[in-house]
Amino acid sequence: EAQVTQNPRYLITVTGKKLTVTCSQNMNHEYMSWYRQDPGLGLRQIYYSMNVEVTDKGDVPEGYKVSRKEKRNFPLILESPSPNQTSLYFCASSPLGPQGVDTQYFGPGTRLTVL
Amino acid sequence: GDSVTQMEGPVTLSEEAFLTINCTYTATGYPSLFWYVQYPGEGLQLLLKATKADDKGSNKGFEATYRKETTSFHLEKGSVQVSDSAVYFCALTDNYGQNFVFGPGTRLSVLP
Repeated sequence: EAQVTQNPRYLITVTGKKLTVTCSQNMNHEYMSWYRQDPGLGLRQIYYSMNVEVTDKGDVPEGYKVSRKEKRNFPLILESPSPNQTSLYFCASSPLGPQGVDTQYFGPGTRLTVL
Repeated sequence: GDSVTQMEGPVTLSEEAFLTINCTYTATGYPSLFWYVQYPGEGLQLLLKATKADDKGSNKGFEATYRKETTSFHLEKGSVQVSDSAVYFCALTDNYGQNFVFGPGTRLSVLP
């Protein structure tokens, strides 16, 4: 089944404790992206990647890191989480068409709480 | 820059009512347009898309037509069901082909 998977689905942690949220897709998509969703603020992009070893900042990259060493994986790293990073996080992937990014396929989400 | 405006709702309808959720956009190029749906506790799912002017996207009884002259992509359904209760997002591809621009989402509640 074609899908985007994220782990963990739920995470409660404490301020300053490094964490990684994994994202994997099995559709051979070039493009991958991370979003956070907060009430009243909609979806905001954190980082995106057009291909392996190519990453770029989205709208809200502060406090986050990513890497793209393999095409299928795009982990999100919070090196020193803070309470304002409590949010619902979504990973997405997309093939690249003639015009660039096309339909994005989303993972099920990771609900992160930082105490 | 590119932007998407949609009615934020919440929109509350009775079952079998007609649904319209307005979406207008600002874009410098020729974006593809999308509607995504997010059911409670789930990720976003593609509902329908249109890639050029006058294209009509349709799926599960929902329709939207890419209107370049009015820069709109309104979502419609003739008869909503309780199971359509969700948040609906209008989106477009940006001018550089690198990102999506999402609207704020419209929460729809359908009452039996």
